[in-house]
Amino acid sequence: GAVVSQHPSRVICKSGTSVKIECRSLDFQATTMFWYRQFPKQSLMLMATSNEGSKATYEQGVEKDKFLINHASLTLSTLTVTSAHPEDSSFYICSARDLAGGVHEQYFGPGTRLTVT
Amino acid sequence: ILNVEQSPQSLHVQEGDSTNFTCSFPSSNFYALHWYRWETAKSPEALFVMTLNGDEKKKGRISATLNTKEGYSYLYIKGSQPEDSATYLCAFRDSNYQLIWGAGTKLIIKP
Repeated sequence: GAVVSQHPSRVICKSGTSVKIECRSLDFQATTMFWYRQFPKQSLMLMATSNEGSKATYEQGVEKDKFLINHASLTLSTLTVTSAHPEDSSFYICSARDLAGGVHEQYFGPGTRLTVT
Repeated sequence: ILNVEQSPQSLHVQEGDSTNFTCSFPSSNFYALHWYRWETAKSPEALFVMTLNGDEKKKGRISATLNTKEGYSYLYIKGSQPEDSATYLCAFRDSNYQLIWGAGTKLIIKP
């Protein structure tokens, strides 16, 4: 099946610094990638949808200047958490939609656990 | 506000026993219901996509049913094995293709 990788899997950073998370589709092309955040015992919450070559669409309540998303190619999207705060500590997971598949074909990365101290 | 509820939140099951858990979702604007299996430190793995009321899907010892009129889906695991230990997530896709996730049911199989 299709594989999506995320890097890093775990990161600890200090308040005020920025952290970049990469999401790659390894064996397929993804026109659309999704970024989710999950707080403990809560649902996956969609943060933004990114389409290759265009600006990301952010969900209500998600600050686009704080969570910078770049979908530079059909296989790579990045999420940069800028000026991180402890409340940004969460589990971030991306998913990618296969260009050749239907709307159901969505594959997930293994996630990145961010801890801001 | 659309809400997807999963119950129970967590579940301990003896190896060999069968079990089931529930996903409740809005009964309007339904497009599809997804089930995923998510093991720690791995990517969520798609189990089933169901689109029609009354759908039943099966994959080995795992099966799922769908009732779109009353807004629920059941996931069944027959003869639980330790490798079934994972969090099972359901997600409701509405007619605008928006995907709304439940918080998951964490299943722990006791040997």
